[in-house]
Amino acid sequence: DGGITQSPKYLFRKEGQNVTLSCEQNLNHDAMYWYRQDPGQGLRLIYYSQIVNDFQKGDIAEGYSVSREKKESFPLTVTSAQKNPTAFYLCASSMAGAGGELFFGEGSRLTVL
Amino acid sequence: GESVGLHLPTLSVQEGDNSIINCAYSNSASDYFIWYKQESGKGPQFIIDIRSNMDKRQGQRVTVLLNKTVKHLSLQIAATQPGDSAVYFCAEIDSGTYKYIFGTGTRLKVLA
Repeated sequence: DGGITQSPKYLFRKEGQNVTLSCEQNLNHDAMYWYRQDPGQGLRLIYYSQIVNDFQKGDIAEGYSVSREKKESFPLTVTSAQKNPTAFYLCASSMAGAGGELFFGEGSRLTVL
Repeated sequence: GESVGLHLPTLSVQEGDNSIINCAYSNSASDYFIWYKQESGKGPQFIIDIRSNMDKRQGQRVTVLLNKTVKHLSLQIAATQPGDSAVYFCAEIDSGTYKYIFGTGTRLKVLA
């Protein structure tokens, strides 16, 4: 079945450690996105990529990094520079161009101990 | 469970009644709108969408209404069922800038 797979679903990290969240899609979508979701807030865009080997910062990119070496994959690294990393992270994809439905993964819950 | 919905407005409805969830959007340039359903600990699921050249669109048990004059969007769920309990949020898309803006969401509780 086609879809977006995020892993791990739950992740615990000590302060000062970098962690990488995986996002893989087999929908043949060009565009991929990373969002952060906090209680009482709408989804906030971290990074997005419209095409392989290219990506742009979203509204809250500080403390995060991404890569887009393959069309299917868009991993997100939460670095030690991110001051408040505990959150629910959502990966999404869409067909190239705007105005399309975003397909979401099941999310990854990161907790910093 | 997932704590995403802790501070959200809540709509409680009796099973079998109709539900209406509202959303005010902010960008006059937005020309595409989507309603998503998010269950606890899961990713959002597409429910229904509407483009700005329409005022109303119907799906199975769901209807979306768009009022561009007051920048208001609503989701109507007919004959609400226990499985409809979730957080619902709207998304507005500006196709000129590829920008998606998400609402904070409303928690729907279905009472038996």
